[in-house]
Amino acid sequence: GDSVTQMEGPVTLSEEAFLTINCTYTATGYPSLFWYVQYPGEGLQLLLKATKADDKGSNKGFEATYRKETTSFHLEKGSVQVSDSAVYFCALIDQGAQKLVFGQGTRLTINP
Amino acid sequence: DAGITQSPRYKITETGRQVTLMCHQTWSHSYMFWYRQDLGHGLRLIYYSAAADITDKGEVPDGYVVSRSKTENFPLTLESATRSQTSVYFCASTLTGVGDTQYFGPGTRLTVL
Repeated sequence: GDSVTQMEGPVTLSEEAFLTINCTYTATGYPSLFWYVQYPGEGLQLLLKATKADDKGSNKGFEATYRKETTSFHLEKGSVQVSDSAVYFCALIDQGAQKLVFGQGTRLTINP
Repeated sequence: DAGITQSPRYKITETGRQVTLMCHQTWSHSYMFWYRQDLGHGLRLIYYSAAADITDKGEVPDGYVVSRSKTENFPLTLESATRSQTSVYFCASTLTGVGDTQYFGPGTRLTVL
């Protein structure tokens, strides 16, 4: 079945640093891709998404581009803040199984 | 706008007991989902429901039972809890289907002793 692989965490950065969290996927066809974020003590919430190749999703300063040629959807932010500390999940829609498939999550900690 | 709620938020039980986790949404979303979150596994789908009285298995359904008699409620029952079911459980809903944005509840942390 389809799968998602994220860079292992935890990731610790200083405030205003540049962030990249890598995400690659394996899928038949062209799935929609998502980044979800989980703040401490809360459920997941959608951060951004892209539905076709070369689409760029963006929200709250975060961006990710759907790269079909490298089967990747890396999350980036130019200048992180302490409030960005959370767990980030990359996910795709498995069209065949009709389900959302998640990566294992990457814990991000931003120090002031 | 209450959104999607789960209860209880924390539960400790013993092996062999029956436990029911509740999920309630106020949006009249058609689809509802149950996931479990474990270290190193991300979230894995347990069961989902496309509408009232329609449910289907996900990736890890063994040991769990669901029902959906009303659109807004989607309870998850562990009929005889095992230690391997210690996890954080999330309920989610979408308006139209799997491809739609999923809205998650705050989670229930379940410990089986």
